[in-house]
Amino acid sequence: ILNVEQSPQSLHVQEGDSTNFTCSFPSSNFYALHWYRWETAKSPEALFVMTLNGDEKKKGRISATLNTKEGYSYLYIKGSQPEDSATYLCAFKGNTGKLIFGQGTTLQVKP
Amino acid sequence: GAGVSQSPSNKVTEKGKDVELRCDPISGHTALYWYRQRLGQGLEFLIYFQGNSAPDKSGLPSDRFSAERTGESVSTLTIQRTQQEDSAVYLCASSVHESSYNSPLHFGNGTRLTVT
Repeated sequence: ILNVEQSPQSLHVQEGDSTNFTCSFPSSNFYALHWYRWETAKSPEALFVMTLNGDEKKKGRISATLNTKEGYSYLYIKGSQPEDSATYLCAFKGNTGKLIFGQGTTLQVKP
Repeated sequence: GAGVSQSPSNKVTEKGKDVELRCDPISGHTALYWYRQRLGQGLEFLIYFQGNSAPDKSGLPSDRFSAERTGESVSTLTIQRTQQEDSAVYLCASSVHESSYNSPLHFGNGTRLTVT
């Protein structure tokens, strides 16, 4: 059974705070690790797709790192803004091709 | 261009009835996934289609659930004899060919199914 774990489950921060979340996944048969942002009343949108150990991706104030040998990825948000409030999902793709999601981290940024 | 389209957006049905949910993926996307999110839970994998390969049905929760895909186009998810625990948001997503490992999923807006 593939286990993709995310922590924390939820997070409340003040506007301007920087924050980070963790995604842990199986370290064997790794193909890719995805991050998505899911805002209320919308559908999930892709942030990053990472395939190489040590990879780092950045989009604006959001960045992510990947360690495939130990099976974890971090998502960082610098200077959080209220519009960053959403659920952040990671998903693991192994050699079967299917994409298995974690439970998500729900971020609320207070103005 | 057009995104992933799902219909209906909302469906209320009586326990025991059959329902059919439809997904139109982005043109040219050969991979198609169905997920569901029950209240308070995460995205649960149901089924995965990749081109003409046999689908990965390992996430279907019971034999009441089935899905088909016409070539690399429309997919339908059918739930027979619906139960209250089937109430959830059913999400469809598509992506380009799986040999491109860094292809993200593009999600539809989902179908909210309520079984009364």
